[in-house]
Amino acid sequence: AQTVTQSQPEMSVQEAETVTLSCTYDTSESNYYLFWYKQPPSRQMILVIRQEAYKQQNATENRFSVNFQKAAKSFSLKISDSQLGDTAMYFCAFMNHMNSGYSTLTFGKGTMLLVSP
Amino acid sequence: DAMVIQNPRYQVTQFGKPVTLSCSQTLNHNVMYWYQQKSSQAPKLLFHYYDKDFNNEADTPDNFQSRRPNTSFCFLDIRSPGLGDAAMYLCATSKRLTAFDEQFFGPGTRLTVL
Repeated sequence: AQTVTQSQPEMSVQEAETVTLSCTYDTSESNYYLFWYKQPPSRQMILVIRQEAYKQQNATENRFSVNFQKAAKSFSLKISDSQLGDTAMYFCAFMNHMNSGYSTLTFGKGTMLLVSP
Repeated sequence: DAMVIQNPRYQVTQFGKPVTLSCSQTLNHNVMYWYQQKSSQAPKLLFHYYDKDFNNEADTPDNFQSRRPNTSFCFLDIRSPGLGDAAMYLCATSKRLTAFDEQFFGPGTRLTVL
């Protein structure tokens, strides 16, 4: 079974600064996908960024980028130029790539990020 | 806007009193999921439907059941809620059951059991 570990329950950052959220995972699979989801207070969870394990290049979406270290099974999220609207719970998640059958998301426990003025 | 809608947003029930949570989607997605998210814990998949095919996770208690009468709607029934069932329940949808297909989440229903 896969496990996803987020070791930082809470983090704080000031507006315009950069913050990195950590995530490690454990799997015996070689082909899989990793995700960061954002869940703002009282709002729905949305996908922030996705990384395919067979791609060496780190994914980037505007101010959000990842540092994917496959050998170390590490998948951190960097948020540049933090904004107040980035305040949210951030979940790291894992999904196997299945050639047949199906796969489901395994989430970490989340990191609560607070961006202050 | 196309979206995933959950009703109600907050639900209070009594210990042992059956309760139904509702999810609807305007995305016309084939797959609908129900997750349970307890405080300070990771969302945990309870089950999903691919069209009319129901798939129960192995460790989902029998107390939890689901119905999907059509593509748009999916219900979570808790037959006899216990105090340990108090949680946020998240509904999600995706076009297919692959990692290529993003899951879209509803805002959740927070269930309180008295």
